[in-house]
Amino acid sequence: EDQVTQSPEALRLQEGESSSLNCSYTVSGLRGLFWYRQDPGKGPEFLFTLYSAGEEKEKERLKATLTKKESFLHITAPKPEDSATYLCAVQGTNAGKSTFGDGTTLTVKP
Amino acid sequence: DGGITQSPKYLFRKEGQNVTLSCEQNLNHDAMYWYRQDPGQGLRLIYYSQIVNDFQKGDIAEGYSVSREKKESFPLTVTSAQKNPTAFYLCASEHLYGYTFGSGTRLTVV
Repeated sequence: EDQVTQSPEALRLQEGESSSLNCSYTVSGLRGLFWYRQDPGKGPEFLFTLYSAGEEKEKERLKATLTKKESFLHITAPKPEDSATYLCAVQGTNAGKSTFGDGTTLTVKP
Repeated sequence: DGGITQSPKYLFRKEGQNVTLSCEQNLNHDAMYWYRQDPGQGLRLIYYSQIVNDFQKGDIAEGYSVSREKKESFPLTVTSAQKNPTAFYLCASEHLYGYTFGSGTRLTVV
């Protein structure tokens, strides 16, 4: 059974204070690891897909990296508008569905 | 604009009542999914469908039912057998790189 564990549950940063969110996973054959952003009361918004260890993707202040056991979402010089819950998900090669972690809620204070 | 439309945004259910949540997409995606999200938790899979007229149970299918008569539509019925239906329900469709989500339906038992 695929499993995803995200840490920390909550993270509070000052504006400009860089940090990382962790996503540890177990899956039998990785088809893809996904990062989503979710604002309160809204559906998740797709950010990145990573397919193999060593891969990296970037978007504005966000950078996602992948190893064989975990993924990191690095946030560089965050702004208050980066405040949201960040969800990680994995899909195995034999699964027709994604398994989600519980998310990390990021709060960036001005 | 292509996307997923969920309706209604808010829904109130009385004890013993069945209710149906609507999910429509105009993205021409084959696979569609229903997830449930409880406060402070990640997404748990209820049902999914990879093609028309076919669907599979997810991890928490008890008390729910679905149909997939058209590619564009994947309605979810919350039956009276679901004893704790109060939650945020999210519908998604799958594209090449991940999921596109709707804006969700918040269901409350009154």
